[in-house]
Amino acid sequence: KQEVTQIPAALSVPEGENLVLNCSFTDSAIYNLQWFRQDPGKGLTSLLLIQSSQREQTSGRLNASLDKSSGRSTLYIAASQPGDSATYLCAGGRDDKIIFGKGTRLHILP
Amino acid sequence: NAGVTQTPKFRVLKTGQSMTLLCAQDMNHEYMYWYRQDPGMGLRLIHYSVGEGTTAKGEVPDGYNVSRLKKQNFLLGLESAAPSQTSVYFCASSPRVRPQHFGDGTRLSIL
Repeated sequence: KQEVTQIPAALSVPEGENLVLNCSFTDSAIYNLQWFRQDPGKGLTSLLLIQSSQREQTSGRLNASLDKSSGRSTLYIAASQPGDSATYLCAGGRDDKIIFGKGTRLHILP
Repeated sequence: NAGVTQTPKFRVLKTGQSMTLLCAQDMNHEYMYWYRQDPGMGLRLIHYSVGEGTTAKGEVPDGYNVSRLKKQNFLLGLESAAPSQTSVYFCASSPRVRPQHFGDGTRLSIL
């Protein structure tokens, strides 16, 4: 059974710092891995999607990497801003289904 | 472009009542999903559909039924609501097996 784990569950960092969010998964046969952002009371917004044939994806200050052999993905946020405060979820899977991690609640301190 | 629209946004039910949650997408996506999100449990897949007229069970399907009579709509039904079904329900759609577009959720309370 696919399991997706995100550590830490919560993180507070001062504004301007670079930070890394971690995601680990048990099924190395996943065909892609996606990172989402969720603001309080809202749905999920897709940030980055990494296909299984890719190693990383970048969008602005965000960079996500995927290492299928070790079952790990990381989301790197450069020069963090208070507006980055949200819950970040990763999701991996195969076939027609994906499994979400429980997320990391990120708080950027002004 | 509305994307994914969920109706209603809030609802309070009594135990044993029934209701249907509607999800509509205007992006011509083949795949549609229903999730529930609970504190400490993350997002869990209830049912999903890979095309019009098809449905399949997810991780937590018990107590729910779904229908996909039209490509743009995916309905989630609770035949006899239970307090354990109190949750926030999210619908998502995708052109492939990757949910990329989520609705804003339906907050459902069962008393």
